[in-house]
Amino acid sequence: KNQVEQSPQSLIILEGKNCTLQCNYTVSPFSNLRWYKQDTGRGPVSLTIMTFSENTKSNGRYTATLDADTKQSSLHITASQLSDSASYICVVTARGDYKLSFGAGTTVTVRA
Amino acid sequence: NAGVTQTPKFQVLKTGQSMTLQCAQDMNHEYMSWYRQDPGMGLRLIHYSVGAGITDQGEVPNGYNVSRSTTEDFPLRLLSAAPSQTSVYFCASSYRDPQSSGNTIYFGEGSWLTVV
Repeated sequence: KNQVEQSPQSLIILEGKNCTLQCNYTVSPFSNLRWYKQDTGRGPVSLTIMTFSENTKSNGRYTATLDADTKQSSLHITASQLSDSASYICVVTARGDYKLSFGAGTTVTVRA
Repeated sequence: NAGVTQTPKFQVLKTGQSMTLQCAQDMNHEYMSWYRQDPGMGLRLIHYSVGAGITDQGEVPNGYNVSRSTTEDFPLRLLSAAPSQTSVYFCASSYRDPQSSGNTIYFGEGSWLTVV
């Protein structure tokens, strides 16, 4: 069964600090990996999309990395802001499949 | 450009009642889908559609029906609501299927459903 595991489940950081979120997956054969940001009470919003051949993708202060050999991805948030407080969801798609496999998300709380 | 619009935002149902969650997109997207989000779990696919007139089951389809008579609309029907269907429901759409990496998937703002 295709699975996506995210860690940590939650974390608290001070404004201005950096943090890294992890995503491990067993989805095979791999097609692409996406990171989404979900604010409380809102729908998920796309941050990055990466294919097998891409190992880094940035979107402003968000940088995603992908190691398709070890089936791991990370999302790095640089110089965190209060508005970064949200849940970050890793989503993986298998080749030949319309369905997305979602991680349970990492809840990030940024404190002043 | 409204994106993906879901209605209602909040709904309380009694066990056994039926209702329809509405989803509309104005981006001419072929691919649409419905998910439910429960605490501590990733979003789970209920039903999806790859174009008007074509629907298929996802991971958790029991108790739900869908139809896709137009490209724009993809309603989700709860046939006889049960407390286990208490959840947050998200509709999503994209121009092409999720395997296409240059293809952003857009989500609606969610519908909070409570079945008592």
